[in-house]
Amino acid sequence: SQQGEEDPQALSIQEGENATMNCSYKTSINNLQWYRQNSGRGLVHLILIRSNEREKHSGRLRVTLDTSKKSSSLLITASRAADTASYFCATDYTDKLIFGTGTRLQVFP
Amino acid sequence: EPEVTQTPSHQVTQMGQEVILRCVPISNHLYFYWYRQILGQKVEFLVSFYNNEISEKSEIFDDQFSVERPDGSNFTLKIRSTKLEDSAMYFCASRGYGNQPQHFGDGTRLSIL
Repeated sequence: SQQGEEDPQALSIQEGENATMNCSYKTSINNLQWYRQNSGRGLVHLILIRSNEREKHSGRLRVTLDTSKKSSSLLITASRAADTASYFCATDYTDKLIFGTGTRLQVFP
Repeated sequence: EPEVTQTPSHQVTQMGQEVILRCVPISNHLYFYWYRQILGQKVEFLVSFYNNEISEKSEIFDDQFSVERPDGSNFTLKIRSTKLEDSAMYFCASRGYGNQPQHFGDGTRLSIL
């Protein structure tokens, strides 16, 4: 089965620094998506990258995808305290999403 | 911006009781999903629903679970006889036609006593 695994499990940085999170998966995918989850809240969709794309940008977010290595990275530039949350990658081959374990990001003001 | 809404936000139920979790997907979306997240664990897929029938379901989605779209706006998840291990956050999601992302609600926290 597909499994996304993020690393690091936890990341603490200062405001203004960049945060990089990585995700690995095991099987073929159609898309890879990144979601954010604030404590006790729902999942907020950040960005979707298709299997034939290598890089995508959205505001301060940059996502890369390497299908040969079955890995993706999420870069948040110029981080803010409001970016504090858990970040998950999710892959799909059929219509269901398979989520990773998540990275807990703490941004200190 | 349109969003997926879920009610209630928190449900406390005695073991063995039936529970219905409710969701209102985004209005022009066609594909609907339920996921759950046990505390401290991954978000897990339960079921997908399209054109008034189940498209795919996971091993978790056994005979105790059912889904329904009773009208044009609601999408419900029913657990017939709850167990302690059903305690989790349940998320509803929906997406539009084509290669679109799934949008999630804020979840219902289900606590089984």
